[in-house]
Formats: sequence, structure tokens, C-alpha cells
Amino acid sequence: GDSVTQMEGPVTLSEEAFLTINCTYTATGYPSLFWYVQYPGEGLQLLLKATKADDKGSNKGFEATYRKETTSFHLEKGSVQVSDSAVYFCALKGFQGAQKLVFGQGTRLTINP
Amino acid sequence: ETGVTQSPTHLIKTRGQQVTLRCSSQSGHNTVSWYQQALGQGPQFIFQYYREEENGRGNFPPRFSGLQFPNYSSELNVNALELDDSALYLCASTFDEREQYFGPGTRLTVT
Repeated sequence: GDSVTQMEGPVTLSEEAFLTINCTYTATGYPSLFWYVQYPGEGLQLLLKATKADDKGSNKGFEATYRKETTSFHLEKGSVQVSDSAVYFCALKGFQGAQKLVFGQGTRLTINP
Repeated sequence: ETGVTQSPTHLIKTRGQQVTLRCSSQSGHNTVSWYQQALGQGPQFIFQYYREEENGRGNFPPRFSGLQFPNYSSELNVNALELDDSALYLCASTFDEREQYFGPGTRLTVT
């Protein structure tokens, strides 16, 4: 079945550092790919998405490119802020069937001032 | 702004009891999905409802059941609660095949 693997955390960085969180997936067909963010005590918020190969999703300085050849969707940000501290989830949605999301295990990010 | 609301926010139940969690979808959305998020894990798909019919189910036993009402609000029912059912339960709504919007979740603790 479909699956998502994220780099294990936690990740701790200093403010203004460069961020990469790795995500790879296994799926049949052509899934849509997502990054969600979860702040403490809250539900999930969609951060960005890409629906086909070579698409780049971007939002709030975060970017991720849908790489079909490497089945990857790595999240990057050039300069992180303390307010970026949260748990980040990579997810996919299959191209047919129920609109279910398959999530990775999450990566906890802490940014120190 | 998602507009998806869930109730209650927190709930404590005893093993063997039954629980009902509620979700109010964002206006105009006709599809609702439920997910279970155990501590430190990613959310796991429980099931989805589209226009009041179950439209897909994850790897959860039959004691997890649901309903969707004509106004597209939804309930998740869990019978015979087990300790491992302790988790954050997330509801997400969408219109047809568009992106899902999540509610804040209900934290269920089973003792």
C-alpha cells in the first residue's frame, strides 16, 4: 500500500538557519503530495501541496518540489524563525478511491533564538 | 480559516465504555474524514463519508463507526473502548476532491 517516510527528528536549529526535512513516498500511480504543520495543542494546517511531477509548492517561505524520479518531496526553508517551531507532516493522497491522506510519522522542529 | 469545529475538546473515558465525537464541517463541504493520531505519530485514516454514505475505510475494527448527517456534520462512535484508543481524533472536511481542512481535534483519554 501507499506509504510516506520522513526523516526522523527531532530537529533543532538556530534562527535564520537553512531547513531541510526529507520525505520520500511509495505509491501507485500519481499521488498528490502535501506538507502539513501542527502547532502545539492544535490540529493540522495545510502548508503547501503539489499535484504532479516537477510541481513546486510554496507558502510562507517554505518550498517543496515533487520529484517523481526519486519519489521525494523534501521541505526546505532558507531562513527559519522561532515561530516555525512545530511538528511537520508529509502526506500523500492517492489518485483514485477515497480521498484519504497517508501521513508520515512527523518531524518535530525546534528553532532556538 | 478552516471553519471545521469539533466537540468536545477533551474527554476522559473508562475502558469498555462507548464514546461519541462530533464534527461540524466547513460550510459547503460534502465530504468528511476521520483520523486517529496517537501520541508522537502521524494521523491514521479511520473512514470517510461522502453525502451520508461511507466512502472508504482504513484498518480499524468495526467498533469504530460513523455517521454523516444531511447538513454534512458527522459523528465518530467508538464502542468497547480500549486503552490504545487514547489519541487525538481529527476530523477533516472537503468539497469533492479538493484539499482537506482539519479541525482542532478531540483528545480522548481512556483509563
